[in-house]
Amino acid sequence: AQSVTQLGSHVSVSEGALVLLRCNYSSSVPPYLFWYVQYPNQGLQLLLKYTSAATLVKGINGFEAEFKKSETSFHLTKPSAHMSDAAEYFCAVSDSNYQLIWGAGTKLIIKP
Amino acid sequence: KAGVTQTPRYLIKTRGQQVTLSCSPISGHRSVSWYQQTPGQGLQFLFEYFSETQRNKGNFPGRFSGRQFSNSRSEMNVSTLELGDSALYLCASSSSARNTDTQYFGPGTRLTVL
Repeated sequence: AQSVTQLGSHVSVSEGALVLLRCNYSSSVPPYLFWYVQYPNQGLQLLLKYTSAATLVKGINGFEAEFKKSETSFHLTKPSAHMSDAAEYFCAVSDSNYQLIWGAGTKLIIKP
Repeated sequence: KAGVTQTPRYLIKTRGQQVTLSCSPISGHRSVSWYQQTPGQGLQFLFEYFSETQRNKGNFPGRFSGRQFSNSRSEMNVSTLELGDSALYLCASSSSARNTDTQYFGPGTRLTVL
């Protein structure tokens, strides 16, 4: 069965610092991987997705993620954090039944 | 295009009651999925409908049910509400049936069971 692990329920960075949110997956088939962001009291918005094309995927709001098969990872990064990036971030893998299997989420806290 | 809409946005019910939540997908989208989000369990898949047929169901009791209409609008129903059903219920739509498709989420319905 596929699963997703997000390291760290909370990550705190200073404004302007590098953002790194970790996601590891387990999958017996080539995975399709997604990062979503959720702002308070809102639904989820797609940041980016990997669908077996380029391993470095660029998303919205300056985020990008790199698919590393050997490490079964799909970590999300942004070079310089902004206060508006404060939100909860979810990594997900799509299984063969079209379900999204979700990680537990990581709350990103931006310190001024 | 208008996004995914969910109604109502907030609901308060008491134990034992039933509730119906509605989801209108993005125009042209035929797949609608429902998720339950709670602080303790995170995001959990409820079920997915495609062209009025339930294709997949998550691990929830039979009190949770849903349906999809010919215009792709979907409803989910929870009968005999329990305190543990308090959650944010999210609906997502996608254009087709491929698991590479992006799911677009609505704002959710916040259900509180007293």
